[in-house]
Amino acid sequence: DAKTTQPTSMDCAEGRAANLPCNHSTISGNEYVYWYRQIHSQGPQYIIHGLKNNETNEMASLIITEDRKSSTLILPHATLRDTAVYYCIVMGGSYIPTFGRGTSLIVHP
Amino acid sequence: GAVVSQHPSRVICKSGTSVKIECRSLDFQATTMFWYRQFPKQSLMLMATSNEGSKATYEQGVEKDKFLINHASLTLSTLTVTSAHPEDSSFYICSASEQFFGPGTRLTVL
Repeated sequence: DAKTTQPTSMDCAEGRAANLPCNHSTISGNEYVYWYRQIHSQGPQYIIHGLKNNETNEMASLIITEDRKSSTLILPHATLRDTAVYYCIVMGGSYIPTFGRGTSLIVHP
Repeated sequence: GAVVSQHPSRVICKSGTSVKIECRSLDFQATTMFWYRQFPKQSLMLMATSNEGSKATYEQGVEKDKFLINHASLTLSTLTVTSAHPEDSSFYICSASEQFFGPGTRLTVL
């Protein structure tokens, strides 16, 4: 599975949109981009995934660039409960997530 | 959506004892489950893949005789940490697919 690069940490104000970037320049054609988050002392939570089209669900939106080399997870109206570590993972074939360091997002009042 | 449960949520044991952690998929059948562990301030590391009715597949560096995995049914996988030592203290997490993870089990070995 292709590797991903994410900023170590980010912060945003409550109520504002949180835009979390991810680079995956070596992604191959059959690999999906998955996003998860882990709130402190809990198991990971699946958020969203996509192949090449932008995706939206009740939790977030996923914007994938046309060349698929990067993506952005958007939390449209961040709340304090969105404070977590966010993982961007590229998967294809095995669909066994390999977790990197992720981005620690802190939402502040 | 599907729910994965783990039991216990936390356990404290003495060094040298064995601890069993259960992972259940509550509303779907999982032929394959996965076990991860997470040390403080680190990311999740895949330990093994649990296969229903057959032997588990362990990642490099994970001792299969120390971390016994049993996947006897399509809804239950168990991880037994045998002869636990303080360095086995960690957060153990199972998953039943790439979308469904358990809440984790905090193991503390004294």
